Amino acid sequence: GIQVEQSPPDLILQEGANSTLRCNFSDSVNNLQWFHQNPWGQLINLFYIPSGTKQNGRLSATTVATERYSLLYISSSQTTDSGVYFCAVRELTFGTGTRLQVML
Amino acid sequence: GAVVSQHPSRVICKSGTSVKIECRSLDFQATTMFWYRQFPKQSLMLMATSNEGSKATYEQGVEKDKFLINHASLTLSTLTVTSAHPEDSSFYICSSETGQGLYGYTFGSGTRLTVV
Repeated sequence: GIQVEQSPPDLILQEGANSTLRCNFSDSVNNLQWFHQNPWGQLINLFYIPSGTKQNGRLSATTVATERYSLLYISSSQTTDSGVYFCAVRELTFGTGTRLQVML
Repeated sequence: GAVVSQHPSRVICKSGTSVKIECRSLDFQATTMFWYRQFPKQSLMLMATSNEGSKATYEQGVEKDKFLINHASLTLSTLTVTSAHPEDSSFYICSSETGQGLYGYTFGSGTRLTVV
């Protein structure tokens, strides 16, 4: 089956810093989503982005489907951004996740 | 927005007993419900897909007799872990496509199952 790898696996930031999370996938996809799982386990859908670029406030995402990767940008990070970020492809095959901790 | 209510949030049970987890769509019709399990510090693994009024489709390696899924109505899907063992301890999450916008999925808040 398709492999979905995310990097980095862990990330610690100071509040206010910017970061880029990466999602690589091993086969072509026609759907890709980014999710945030908060420290209590709740999953929130951030973006549906099979290709191109989208922005929502301090978050933006870019998918280059032909090169099989997607990027999630977090600007001016806040402590509430802490948690695990997952990308998911096809019928919600989830990536390995990036665990983000934002420190004061 | 679309909400999936999942209960219970936490449950501790003894080995050999069965536990039922419910997911209800509160303001939309959940034609399809996805069930995942998540081990600590790991990703979500799709266990099964249930469609209202029909048998669930299980992913490879998931025991359908152990993880019973019922989706009898458009607003309720249940997962029953039968004859639970400590290795079944995990975080279970349900999800449904809300139909709000393209590929809008909403997730339940999860159930942390501990089998002792």
